[in-house]
Amino acid sequence: QVQLQESGPGLVKPSQTLSLTCTVSGDSISSSTYYWGWIRQPPGKGLEWIGRIDMSGTIDYNPSLKSRVIITLDTSKNQFSLRLRSATAADTAVYYCARDRGYGDYPGGRHFYGVDVWGQGTTVIVSS
Amino acid sequence: DIQMTQSPSSVSASVGDRITIACRASQDISTCLAWYQQKPGKAPKLLIYAASSLQSGVPSRFSGSGSGTRFTLTISSLQPEDFATYYCQQAHSVSPLTFGGGTKVEIK
Repeated sequence: QVQLQESGPGLVKPSQTLSLTCTVSGDSISSSTYYWGWIRQPPGKGLEWIGRIDMSGTIDYNPSLKSRVIITLDTSKNQFSLRLRSATAADTAVYYCARDRGYGDYPGGRHFYGVDVWGQGTTVIVSS
Repeated sequence: DIQMTQSPSSVSASVGDRITIACRASQDISTCLAWYQQKPGKAPKLLIYAASSLQSGVPSRFSGSGSGTRFTLTISSLQPEDFATYYCQQAHSVSPLTFGGGTKVEIK
């Protein structure tokens, strides 16, 4: 059974870098064909996609965050990480790491297989 | 960005009711759509992928339909454990992947 677990500071000062790590168990990120990504949820609000990465080197970021965000893989530790620089109060949220199963093509169209495994989420507060 | 508009934003219903949640995309997304259920303090759970395929382990009372720009999630007979918030997500365009605003299903 695949499990994901977020870790990192729960409190970040404004203008500093928010850094989180997701540890994957039950699957090898280096041998799988999935995307590994981050999604966040501000208090009382909906879900916001941050970005994702796969083993082929494909990295997709939300354009609204692209100038501040980096997602990386560490296959030796079976982990992936999020770094969001120049944090502000607007970055206060529950951060989820997740496994995205990606796509399948068929004649005339394309399926999306969904985000099927999520971490439990970690709360990050940006405050002085 | 592809905008995903869910309706209604909330619905009050009773155990045993049939409810339908709509999700409209601002442009054609084929079947690049998933539905999630989220309970308070918990991570979202995948219910439906590829617009109409039931995720393994999800009860058959959940079903999804649609393609292009209009999609629906139906719960055929609402159970106590189904009271939650539901989100649709498009993945046709990765700039960015986007979620609907959510539909909260509450007990009448």
